[in-house]
Amino acid sequence: RKEVEQDPGPFNVPEGATVAFNCTYSNSASQSFFWYRQDCRKEPKLLMSVYSSGNEDGRFTAQLNRASQYISLLIRDSKLSDSATYLCVVNRRGRGGNKLTFGTGTQLKVEL
Amino acid sequence: AAGVIQSPRHLIKEKRETATLKCYPIPRHDTVYWYQQGPGQDPQFLISFYEKMQSDKGSIPDRFSAQQFSDYHSELNMSSLELGDSALYFCASSAGRSTNEKLFFGSGTQLSVL
Repeated sequence: RKEVEQDPGPFNVPEGATVAFNCTYSNSASQSFFWYRQDCRKEPKLLMSVYSSGNEDGRFTAQLNRASQYISLLIRDSKLSDSATYLCVVNRRGRGGNKLTFGTGTQLKVEL
Repeated sequence: AAGVIQSPRHLIKEKRETATLKCYPIPRHDTVYWYQQGPGQDPQFLISFYEKMQSDKGSIPDRFSAQQFSDYHSELNMSSLELGDSALYFCASSAGRSTNEKLFFGSGTQLSVL
């Protein structure tokens, strides 16, 4: 079982739709959480950090449930430009510093 | 603003050859991470450096080695290349060791082993 799991999708949604992704992690010692966005063959780019109280950035809302060990990302009013792979990233701090583990990513396709 | 610079962008090698990938972190970033991403795969952590010392090691093969230099740039050396080493190699940097420290990625080096 992978340490960070995501539904690979693809999620095909019409423009303007609301879509949600979930991510589960297995290591309860994980300390911080992020969503990254990756376009095809490009580098991952930070979308947002995920805080326990939940946080919002424009059309994007992230939630963290430590008890159930899952993270969610909600995208409202989807745009064509939102089409990408969304990577859930879990950080665990060890003696060597930060150790970020990526999920396999969820592919989103927003269509006209 | 300056970003993470990786070179070369593309590299074609034959089996059993060697390759060196370079990474120049964002100025004043002291931590460098190397990731390998195969086609359709998530990025796999290889190795990281903090203040020029190896800080963590992931699924890096023994054929690979890396170091961080005094100017904080890092190089990933790959020897006895195999077909399975063909992948996108990303370098990322961060500015410290807080658990909430965000990583900034370079554009990657696409390595093709023929």
